[in-house]
Amino acid sequence: AQSVAQPEDQVNVAEGNPLTVKCTYSVSGNPYLFWYVQYPNRGLQFLLKYITGDNLVKGSYGFEAEFNKSQTSFHLKKPSALVSDSALYFCAAVRRDNFNKFYFGSGTKLNVKP
Amino acid sequence: NAGVTQTPKFQVLKTGQSMTLQCAQDMNHNSMYWYRQDPGMGLRLIYYSASEGTTDKGEVPNGYNVSRLNKREFSLRLESAAPSQTSVYFCASSEVTGELFFGEGSRLTVL
Repeated sequence: AQSVAQPEDQVNVAEGNPLTVKCTYSVSGNPYLFWYVQYPNRGLQFLLKYITGDNLVKGSYGFEAEFNKSQTSFHLKKPSALVSDSALYFCAAVRRDNFNKFYFGSGTKLNVKP
Repeated sequence: NAGVTQTPKFQVLKTGQSMTLQCAQDMNHNSMYWYRQDPGMGLRLIYYSASEGTTDKGEVPNGYNVSRLNKREFSLRLESAAPSQTSVYFCASSEVTGELFFGEGSRLTVL
């Protein structure tokens, strides 16, 4: 079965410290990989995606993600967290032969404390 | 540019009542989706439409029907609502390049 896993329900980090939100995937065929952010009572917003090429992908709001094919991981990172980064983060994957079926992780709540 | 617009934003139903969630996108996307979001379960695909005139079941289609009225609009209907359908519903659209654009969500409570 195809799946995306986010092993941490919650990540706590102090403002100014680096943050990492973990994601691993089990989706066949070199999938496209995505990160989305959801603020309270809002829809999901696209942050970044990996298609091919450089393993470090840069996205919105200073976020970046590191793709590791051997570990089938796509971890979200930011060098210096802001309180305003506190939100729910979702990792997702889609197969290249079927762009209509996204596989979402269960989400990780990021808490950035002042 | 409004993106993806969903109505209504909130709705309370009694068991057995019916309702339709409306969704429209103004980005000329071919694909549209309906997801539901429940705590701890991420997003689950209910139905999708890869192009005007086509619809396909997703992961959790039971109890729902959809209509792709035209390229812009994709509606979700609950014929006989059940408490298990209490959820937040999101409409989304995309092009072939992949990223989804989401609406703000419709919060449905079934009593």
